[in-house]
Amino acid sequence: GENVEQHPSTLSVQEGDSAVIKCTYSDSASNYFPWYKQELGKRPQLIIDIRSNVGEKKDQRIAVTLNKTAKHFSLHITETQPEDSAVYFCAASAYQGAQKLVFGQGTRLTINP
Amino acid sequence: SQTIHQWPATLVQPVGSPLSLECTVEGTSNPNLYWYRQAAGRGLQLLFYSVGIGQISSEVPQNLSASRPQDRQFILSSKKLLLSDSGFYLCAWSVRLDYNEQFFGPGTRLTVL
Repeated sequence: GENVEQHPSTLSVQEGDSAVIKCTYSDSASNYFPWYKQELGKRPQLIIDIRSNVGEKKDQRIAVTLNKTAKHFSLHITETQPEDSAVYFCAASAYQGAQKLVFGQGTRLTINP
Repeated sequence: SQTIHQWPATLVQPVGSPLSLECTVEGTSNPNLYWYRQAAGRGLQLLFYSVGIGQISSEVPQNLSASRPQDRQFILSSKKLLLSDSGFYLCAWSVRLDYNEQFFGPGTRLTVL
């Protein structure tokens, strides 16, 4: 089955700097890669996703890149702000009648003012 | 618009007691439904998913079971809780198409003592 590894587990950056979180996956059949943000005690919320037929996607300060050959994808947050502090999860799935997401272990991002 | 409800929000149960967690979705028909568990400080693990009434797929062997008695209702149960069942239980829904976002409910925090 699919296995997703996420690094780093914790990340601390100065406000205004960029943050990068990386994930690798094992199943070449995976074709959908979402990123979720989870604040303490709250539900995960999708911030960006990418399909396997796209190499990069950007939404304002957030971007995701995908390298299918190397089986890794990354989240990039630019001009970080205090409200970006949260736990971020990557996930991967191959649709089989349902979107069976396999999540990484999470990255706790702290933005220092 | 679509909304997803879970109850109860928090639950403290003794070891060996039964469990029933409920999830309902409003504003959509024929959704795919999912149950995840999140252990403290960890990622999300898919427990069950359902593509229709009475159709349940289990992802990991465990002490839990799931049922879908109605199109927009998903129930997570146990006959006898274990200490290891403690965690944050999240229900999610998605449309029955590939590349689609999963929307998470507010979650149930279960503590087994």
